[in-house]
Amino acid sequence: SQTIHQWPATLVQPVGSPLSLECTVEGTSNPNLYWYRQAAGRGLQLLFYSVGIGQISSEVPQNLSASRPQDRQFILSSKKLLLSDSGFYLCAWSTISQGLGNTEAFFGQGTRLTVV
Amino acid sequence: AQSVTQLGSHVSVSEGALVLLRCNYSSSVPPYLFWYVQYPNQGLQLLLKYTSAATLVKGINGFEAEFKKSETSFHLTKPSAHMSDAAEYFCAVRRDSNYQLIWGAGTKLIIKP
Repeated sequence: SQTIHQWPATLVQPVGSPLSLECTVEGTSNPNLYWYRQAAGRGLQLLFYSVGIGQISSEVPQNLSASRPQDRQFILSSKKLLLSDSGFYLCAWSTISQGLGNTEAFFGQGTRLTVV
Repeated sequence: AQSVTQLGSHVSVSEGALVLLRCNYSSSVPPYLFWYVQYPNQGLQLLLKYTSAATLVKGINGFEAEFKKSETSFHLTKPSAHMSDAAEYFCAVRRDSNYQLIWGAGTKLIIKP
């Protein structure tokens, strides 16, 4: 069965420090991968998605970047964190097909990032 | 363009009462629709999905949703609320152009004892 691992679960970082959040998927190949952010009291904001190794699409210009060095690994990074980067970050994967209903996303447990 | 609207950022019901969470969609093509649940400090979990088969879709934890094309709605219901249902619920529609999910803003369900 497929599983998704996301770490760390919580992170407190000072303003101006770098960030690296990692997500890995097991049990599937060539998944679509996503990074979402939830700010306090707000819905899901899609940050990045990737349909293959080295292929990254950015939905919202910001202080963050993403990379996909391996098929099932997705990394969210920042060179210098801002206070506004605080939030709950979620990694997800899905498969894309024109078949019926197999485009649901499966989520990791999330990382609570607090920038201080 | 496709979109999803969830009516009510917070819904409060008594334990044992009917749960009704509203979702309306906009789509020029037959939509694929989803409901997800998120418990505090956790990821999202798929509750159910509509894929143009039966209009009444049954999901996990006793939830179900009915697709109504005439009303462009996909409301989520549960006959009797339980304290463990307290969570945030998200409705989503699959974007037809690239198959990504378009998310509603979420509805936080509060269960009163």
